Amino acid sequence: AQKITQTQPGMFVQEKEAVTLDCTYDTSDPSYGLFWYKQPSSGEMIFLIYQGSYDQQNATEGRYSLNFQKARKSANLVISASQLGDSAMYFCAMREGYQAGTALIFGKGTTLSVSS
Amino acid sequence: GAVVSQHPSWVICKSGTSVKIECRSLDFQATTMFWYRQFPKQSLMLMATSNEGSKATYEQGVEKDKFLINHASLTLSTLTVTSAHPEDSSFYICSARESRAPSYGYTFGSGTRLTVV
Repeated sequence: AQKITQTQPGMFVQEKEAVTLDCTYDTSDPSYGLFWYKQPSSGEMIFLIYQGSYDQQNATEGRYSLNFQKARKSANLVISASQLGDSAMYFCAMREGYQAGTALIFGKGTTLSVSS
Repeated sequence: GAVVSQHPSWVICKSGTSVKIECRSLDFQATTMFWYRQFPKQSLMLMATSNEGSKATYEQGVEKDKFLINHASLTLSTLTVTSAHPEDSSFYICSARESRAPSYGYTFGSGTRLTVV
């Protein structure tokens, strides 16, 4: 079974509108972390936001917020007031446990296109 | 903040030759380095995990004799694609694990686009 599921291959939004990118995860480890990254066409991985499994409040970073619903195992990314520069691929990722040797597991990604 | 320098950014090589990709942590000690591979419009797939001074741990299906990983120091990890073939053409990216990194422990290199002709 997939650990991270992103069901939206592509999303389209107009400038200044909000958009939600979906992510569900699967783990039996009570300690985990959820990440969102932006990958523009250059290929670099840009960290956006992090949510720990024990965090009580939803994470926010500027225009990015994470809608964390633990019981549903979902960690959707909300981008408010979309900008043309937000057009990129977005990946949801998970770290299971806190050991140093734990790699991030990535979803398949969602391509976001922002139009004027 | 924590920075990982990855070189080269892109490389074109002939089929049958070997290519070395370097990832260097500039301002911290990377005890663990992860190597990922990404085909166009696809996800990042973990290839292997390397720890300083020990053999790398490869994911299932990754040929360890083809993708040689060396992590000889706390600041340098290398991935060598041996006897490269066109199907090895891909985007390779490293990620270092460092507890003091602002991005909650993971810092990525800028990636290497490998084209084998």
